[in-house]
Amino acid sequence: SQQGEEDPQALSIQEGENATMNCSYKTSINNLQWYRQNSGRGLVHLILIRSNEREKHSGRLRVTLDTSKKSSSLLITASRAADTASYFCATAGSSNTGKLIFGQGTTLQVKP
Amino acid sequence: EAGVTQFPSHSVIEKGQTVTLRCDPISGHDNLYWYRRVMGKEIKFLLHFVKESKQDESGMPNNRFLAERTGGTYSTLKVQPAELEDSGVYFCASSLGGGVYGYTFGSGTRLTVV
Repeated sequence: SQQGEEDPQALSIQEGENATMNCSYKTSINNLQWYRQNSGRGLVHLILIRSNEREKHSGRLRVTLDTSKKSSSLLITASRAADTASYFCATAGSSNTGKLIFGQGTTLQVKP
Repeated sequence: EAGVTQFPSHSVIEKGQTVTLRCDPISGHDNLYWYRRVMGKEIKFLLHFVKESKQDESGMPNNRFLAERTGGTYSTLKVQPAELEDSGVYFCASSLGGGVYGYTFGSGTRLTVV
């Protein structure tokens, strides 16, 4: 299986609800990043959490990192229709060469 | 500041033809990366430039792919000759300091080989 696996692969919720996406990885990391891709557009960097951090917040986003389980979660609170997009986690290895390893992504649909 | 610019945004070519993709990174970003997403699969690393030097090209699939970054500014990725399995979205990203603060990605080039 690939590093940076995410679940669920697809998630459909109502506006106002919270959305949680999970990511697992296999090797030691320097940091883990979450990106969003709106349909037909580029990847937008959302948040970066370093290997020595356990939780990070940015607006309606909350990211957790558990290095012992090699997993991370992204929580979007009070979702909006504009949050509809694909979300990807990506890990930067402990050697921090700059190379990212991406998961297959979670497609989130927020219904108005 | 201007973001990472890629063009063309879409390209449809026939098998056996040549295509060149271009990426203009954010001015001052020494690090430039190419990634691609083949249909239904994960986004995969292709290569990494630091200025004009190839730092890591371990993700380049084969010798039909040639990336250059003359002068350390914009980069090109040439596919010659293109095969059907090369279809996908090619992303470029740039960063300061190896990406410790994250990367800025372009909108991607959707390549379709028919």
